[in-house]
Amino acid sequence: DAKTTQPNSMESNEEEPVHLPCNHSTISGTDYIHWYRQLPSQGPEYVIHGLTSNVNNRMASLAIAEDRKSSTLILHRATLRDAAVYYCILRGGIQGAQKLVFGQGTRLTINP
Amino acid sequence: EAGVAQSPRYKIIEKRQSVAFWCNPISGHATLYWYQQILGQGPKLLIQFQNNGVVDDSQLPKDRFSAERLKGVDSTLKIQPAKLEDSAVYLCASSSSAGFATNEKLFFGSGTQLSVL
Repeated sequence: DAKTTQPNSMESNEEEPVHLPCNHSTISGTDYIHWYRQLPSQGPEYVIHGLTSNVNNRMASLAIAEDRKSSTLILHRATLRDAAVYYCILRGGIQGAQKLVFGQGTRLTINP
Repeated sequence: EAGVAQSPRYKIIEKRQSVAFWCNPISGHATLYWYQQILGQGPKLLIQFQNNGVVDDSQLPKDRFSAERLKGVDSTLKIQPAKLEDSAVYLCASSSSAGFATNEKLFFGSGTQLSVL
């Protein structure tokens, strides 16, 4: 499984943008970049995913580097409810091997 | 749309006892996953079902863990006998695709928190 590297923790202030980085230098051409987040006492929740182009949805934006070796999840205006552990995951491989493998993630703290 | 349902929410047992967890996936979802999440770590895949067949159980400790998905809908995960190191949150997830699509989304339940004393 291709590996990702994320900071253990980050802190930001309410109503400010947050940029969560992820390095994935061994990404292959068919690997999708997925982001999930886990709020306290809940299961992980899908946030966004992309392959090559930047992606936007109602929750966040995903900026993917041109060489695809890194990506950044952008929360445009953080709220207290965005405090969670954010996981950056690569998903690809041959058919039948598309496991979603979680790392340690980044624990995001939002200050009021 | 109803989410993934899991029960019980909490379970406390003594070591060497047995325990079972239940999962009801989102209606129509073909693929079902069980994950184990130890405190402070990311979730680890235990087993993946495609309808009622097992796709991947490479990380399931088969000497004590078992899982089944009858009729391709609900699933149960059992531990017998439990050990102290089995204390964790057990998460169930489902997805609509065949499980082989690299761009599919997984939907997770809230999990069952197991404490083994």
